[in-house]
Amino acid sequence: EVQLVESGGGLVQPGRSLRLSCAASGFTFDDYAMHWVRQAPGKGLEWVSGISWNSGSIGYADSVKGRFTISRDNAKNSLYLQMNSLRAEDTALYYCAKDINFDYGDPTGYFDYWGQGTLVTVSS
Amino acid sequence: QSALTQPASVSGSPGQSITISCTGTSSDVGGYNYVSWYQQHPGKAPKLMIYEVSNRPSGVSNRFSGSKSGNTASLTISGLQAEDEADYYCSSYTSSSTPWVFGGGTKLTVL
Repeated sequence: EVQLVESGGGLVQPGRSLRLSCAASGFTFDDYAMHWVRQAPGKGLEWVSGISWNSGSIGYADSVKGRFTISRDNAKNSLYLQMNSLRAEDTALYYCAKDINFDYGDPTGYFDYWGQGTLVTVSS
Repeated sequence: QSALTQPASVSGSPGQSITISCTGTSSDVGGYNYVSWYQQHPGKAPKLMIYEVSNRPSGVSNRFSGSKSGNTASLTISGLQAEDEADYYCSSYTSSSTPWVFGGGTKLTVL
């Protein structure tokens, strides 16, 4: 059974940093691209970042580019999101999602499994 | 504003059929047959319902179907059931600076 378990969320002041983690199990982690997708309270889904199977290709939404860094450790079956210079508008539930392809930017991809999310609240 | 446009809400009675639209541009929905749909119950993670416009993953009821015409994709749910009440999101590959875009979501109410 595929499982994705996010952690690391919490309350943080504007301008500070936070690191999210996603522990994966039930599939061969290093065969697939992974993504972070967020959902602000009462709002829709927003793609945040994606990373290919070997970290060779990485992408970010314009709203987080230069502030967030995605990474993965295939030996630990884990995905990470380092979030710096946090803003109030980054407040959201952050989901880890598995791609069906090994390249995050492959047009044929989609998100076949999602975690339960970890809540990030940016407020003073 | 979300890149893909969905109606904020739709409703139907049990047993009826409903359709949710998802309108984009030639850079996303209209340019690629890579539209997917996700169902999200309150407090739950999204669940894949349709991929590549009209394909259903194993385990998803055949009451759910997808289609596309031009820049608009559609999700149809037939034989509505109370358990179908949820939010639905479309997603598409896009040739813009970010490869994946979502719709704003549609709240389905089963009357």
